Amino acid sequence: DAGVIQSPRHEVTEMGQEVTLRCKPISGHDYLFWYRQTMMRGLELLIYFNNNVPIDDSGMPEDRFSAKMPNASFSTLKIQPSEPRDSAVYFCASSSRTAGSPLHFGNGTRLTVT
Amino acid sequence: SQKIEQNSEALNIQEGKTATLTCNYTNYSPAYLQWYRQDPGRGPVFLLLIRENEKEKRKERLKVTFDTTLKQSLFHITASQPADSATYLCALFGASKIIFGSGTRLSIRP
Repeated sequence: DAGVIQSPRHEVTEMGQEVTLRCKPISGHDYLFWYRQTMMRGLELLIYFNNNVPIDDSGMPEDRFSAKMPNASFSTLKIQPSEPRDSAVYFCASSSRTAGSPLHFGNGTRLTVT
Repeated sequence: SQKIEQNSEALNIQEGKTATLTCNYTNYSPAYLQWYRQDPGRGPVFLLLIRENEKEKRKERLKVTFDTTLKQSLFHITASQPADSATYLCALFGASKIIFGSGTRLSIRP
């Protein structure tokens, strides 16, 4: 199994531009999570999906952030317009439906907004 | 509000000693608690799971305890090695939320 695949690995963009982060979860996993990691705030849950349906998006910082999961093998996190304070590492993770199942993380997208 | 704290931001110990990391939480009743390891530039990797009705779990040189009265979990690495150097994160699983601690950066010196 290739694990959770995220792209791009690095993204540098200018303030005001749209940014799209991509994630391919592990096949057969029912849950998909988007996290953001910074030195100041650690690992924060932004949103998670169950069977492609968003369940809890209370961690999404503001309307500039949106996430979609059009099918079981693909999800996107979009920031429009981007701001310097969005600079962070964004992780996607997936897990099976079994209670307490471990999260399998991708290697993240390092976003820098100048 | 729900809060999870990993007491030490960084821990530096001698090779061969036991490393003990602490995870405390408040205003939360997790059904499960997990520990992850994160290396620079990589995503966290799952290590161990412990359920609320379990006191202790072991896996090779790793041991986790879970005290729901104290609202605390301890993570031990025995016979530590330089290769154990990494950031270790605890994560609490409740009914609808998964919250991570900020992590403890562990350094094992030869």
